[in-house]
Amino acid sequence: AAGVIQSPRHLIKEKRETATLKCYPIPRHDTVYWYQQGPGQDPQFLISFYEKMQSDKGSIPDRFSAQQFSDYHSELNMSSLELGDSALYFCASGVDRVYGYTFGSGTRLTVV
Amino acid sequence: KNEVEQSPQNLTAQEGEFITINCSYSVGISALHWLQQHPGGGIVSLFMLSSGKKKHGRLIATINIQEKHSSLHITASHPRDSAVYICAVGRDNTDKLIFGTGTRLQVFP
Repeated sequence: AAGVIQSPRHLIKEKRETATLKCYPIPRHDTVYWYQQGPGQDPQFLISFYEKMQSDKGSIPDRFSAQQFSDYHSELNMSSLELGDSALYFCASGVDRVYGYTFGSGTRLTVV
Repeated sequence: KNEVEQSPQNLTAQEGEFITINCSYSVGISALHWLQQHPGGGIVSLFMLSSGKKKHGRLIATINIQEKHSSLHITASHPRDSAVYICAVGRDNTDKLIFGTGTRLQVFP
């Protein structure tokens, strides 16, 4: 069965660079969620989209932006990267919170 | 005080033992999730509950809405069950999940 696909799996960037993380939800899932998990920390909610519109916003820095496209995939754009942005970034997809979430395997971002 | 608390934080068991992980929350929720995270990071959704009890293989999850408490049980535990188990709640009328701090389970042969 198709799962939530995230790319890339690993990414190394230097400080002040820009990174783009991609998430491809399960077909027919209309909601995408982004979470950030720092080393040894709980996942923290960043932002979510429902039917291509932003539906909720968490602790997402102003340097980050995200969108959901017409094919329902989502991209998280991160600019002026800082060392503290090094984390595992999860995407999850669902059907309007009804049937639970399916998580992607995550993108591990390392900022050096 | 965290909105979602789990106990214990760490748990070791011998293969075959019955395991219980507890989760308490202090906010109104639309649903509670039990997740499993293996070393390396991938998160797997085990259960989503809004009432009662669910069972999947050797895993059982229960929730008591009045007491704001949920338990995850693993019967006949196996070393491959070793992982971090996370309780997360979806709050009323929001998309985001609030995560507990996780329970690190190690099952030894």
